[in-house]
Amino acid sequence: QQQVKQSPQSLIVQKGGISIINCAYENTAFDYFPWYQQFPGKGPALLIAIRPDVSEKKEGRFTISFNKSAKQFSLHIMDSQPGDSATYFCAARGQGAQKLVFGQGTRLTINP
Amino acid sequence: KAGVTQTPRYLIKTRGQQVTLSCSPISGHRSVSWYQQTPGQGLQFLFEYFSETQRNKGNFPGRFSGRQFSNSRSEMNVSTLELGDSALYLCASSLRGNPYEQYFGPGTRLTVT
Repeated sequence: QQQVKQSPQSLIVQKGGISIINCAYENTAFDYFPWYQQFPGKGPALLIAIRPDVSEKKEGRFTISFNKSAKQFSLHIMDSQPGDSATYFCAARGQGAQKLVFGQGTRLTINP
Repeated sequence: KAGVTQTPRYLIKTRGQQVTLSCSPISGHRSVSWYQQTPGQGLQFLFEYFSETQRNKGNFPGRFSGRQFSNSRSEMNVSTLELGDSALYLCASSLRGNPYEQYFGPGTRLTVT
């Protein structure tokens, strides 16, 4: 119940295209869902996060879509750029806890 | 504001030794969490400290321990190192409670030979 399943493991998108990464969870006690971006040799950087009372959140080219009934959430990167090439992690956090449960990561490559 | 800092950035140790890693959180952040990142297991929660007390612990053996000081700086210690402990150890700091955002440091790359 503590797992967060992330897909795909790797993704190749052409420059200017839309990158979509999906995550699913089981634990209905999760109440905070962040996405992190990690470049080689760096720590994960918080990209965008959403609470389950909101179905969508947009920040610049990054959008989280959240489907509470399906227990799924996804990251959309619009107008993908080569600089977006990185590993992306979804995560979830239980109410009142600080522990983040992470998906396995998606290695995104944007071809120029 | 300065970000989360971790020292050292790289470390090579031998099996059986012990190691101490250090983390300085973002100024004003009192919660510090530690994570282990490996290619096989991904990012896994080790423990969280708040106000010098361990508040939450992940599923790791007792060889992994930590502490937090009154200035919120934190250290984690791994004793009797095993080859499988080779990983990137990440520290994250946050304001406890709302909002929940955790900000990660660059990590310490530990290699056990």
